[in-house]
Amino acid sequence: DAKTTQPNSMESNEEEPVHLPCNHSTISGTDYIHWYRQLPSQGPEYVIHGLTSNVNNRMASLAIAEDRKSSTLILHRATLRDAAVYYCILNFYNQGGKLIFGQGTELSVKP
Amino acid sequence: DVKVTQSSRYLVKRTGEKVFLECVQDMDHENMFWYRQDPGLGLRLIYFSYDVKMKEKGDIPEGYSVSREKKERFSLILESASTNQTSMYLCASSLDRGYTEAFFGQGTRLTVV
Repeated sequence: DAKTTQPNSMESNEEEPVHLPCNHSTISGTDYIHWYRQLPSQGPEYVIHGLTSNVNNRMASLAIAEDRKSSTLILHRATLRDAAVYYCILNFYNQGGKLIFGQGTELSVKP
Repeated sequence: DVKVTQSSRYLVKRTGEKVFLECVQDMDHENMFWYRQDPGLGLRLIYFSYDVKMKEKGDIPEGYSVSREKKERFSLILESASTNQTSMYLCASSLDRGYTEAFFGQGTRLTVV
């Protein structure tokens, strides 16, 4: 199964943009790129997903490289509530939608 | 709102016991998943199911089995609990494969003594 690689941790200042990178060099053409985040003592929650084109929603933006081997989650203005572990994962369409999580990036936000 | 409900938030069982972890979703989702989460190891997929009575092994199925007799319910079974199965267990569901988001339950903290 294709895997994702993320930095273990990142720091940001409040109200500044945050760019969280993810490498998925062995992604196949039908795999969707999903991002989830997990706040302390909670289950993961969905943030955003995409296949080829960049995506925006109320929470974040997802920028996908043209060759699809990497992607970046963009939080436009970090808040203290955005401090969490962010997971970049692949949704394996041809394997029934199997979701395999990586280690994630722990984002800390400084006031 | 989609709700994924796990039967227990905290559970303590003895070594060798048969343990059932139950998960119910209320949005007619096709896919359901069981993960365990351990410090430093992230979320690891145990089993998932893409239809009633269908199941697929994840990365760490050893020591576990699953049952999905009805679409809304996905059970994780520890046939003979061991101390190395002490963990946080998370259930999730999604409408379909690939392009739909997954919803997670709050988790069950299982301690095997």
